Amino acid sequence: EVQLVQSGAEVKKPGESLKISCKGSGYIFTSYWIAWVRQMPGKGLEWMGIIYPGDSDTRVSPSFQGQVTISADKSISTAYLQWSSLKTSDTAMYYCARQVSSRGPVENWGQGTLVTVSS
Amino acid sequence: QSALTQPASVSGSPGQSITISCTGTSSDLGGYNYVSWYQQHPDKAPKLMIYDVSNRPSGVSNRFSGSKSGNTASLTISGLQAEDEADYYCSSYTSSSTWVFGGGTKLTVL
Repeated sequence: EVQLVQSGAEVKKPGESLKISCKGSGYIFTSYWIAWVRQMPGKGLEWMGIIYPGDSDTRVSPSFQGQVTISADKSISTAYLQWSSLKTSDTAMYYCARQVSSRGPVENWGQGTLVTVSS
Repeated sequence: QSALTQPASVSGSPGQSITISCTGTSSDLGGYNYVSWYQQHPDKAPKLMIYDVSNRPSGVSNRFSGSKSGNTASLTISGLQAEDEADYYCSSYTSSSTWVFGGGTKLTVL
C-alpha cells in the first residue's frame, strides 16, 4: 500500500527556520515525483512545487520561488519542504503527495502537516 | 501565475446533475490535456477524481465525468448524493512546467 507519512504539527515564531518531512513507503520512492501543496486556513489548494527523488530534479511554482526549498533524501525515502525565515503568512496546512510524472496528476496524498507561525 | 477560475459555489438536489466549470488560459488549461479534478471533504486530504481531462482513477464512481473545450474544463456529477457534498478543485499543467489549481467550488447537496 502506498503511504506518505508527514511529520507532525509545528508551532514557530516569525523569522525562525523550519523543515518538514514526508516519508514514502509501499512503492519505489525514486520512481515518482513528490509534490507539495499549501492550504491556508479556510482557503483553497495551492501547488508549490515538485521533486523527483531519483535525480532531485525540482520544479517550483513562480508563486513560491525563493520562498521555500524542496529537497529529498532518497536513501531514507523522504522529501522535505524547508523555510529559512518563516512569516505569519506561512501559517497553513502543507500536504505532500505523489505524482506519477511531472505532467501527471497527484494520486496519493499525505495526511498534512499544520504549520502555525505566530509571535 | 494566476489560479484557474471556478465558481465559488454550486448546489443541487439528490439525484440531479451539476456541472462545475474551470477556466484558464492558453498557457495552462487550454494548452494541455493535463487537467485534474480533486474532491476535498472538511478536514480531509484531497482525493483525485478525474485526470487527463476525462479519465477516472480506479474506484471513483462513474457518476463523475470530465470534459474540456478550449480554455474551459468541466466536471459533471450525475445522480447527486449527499456524500458528494464537498469542495472541488480543478488543476492544470502549465507552460512553466508547473501546475496550478483553481480557487475551489463548494458543492452543496440540498
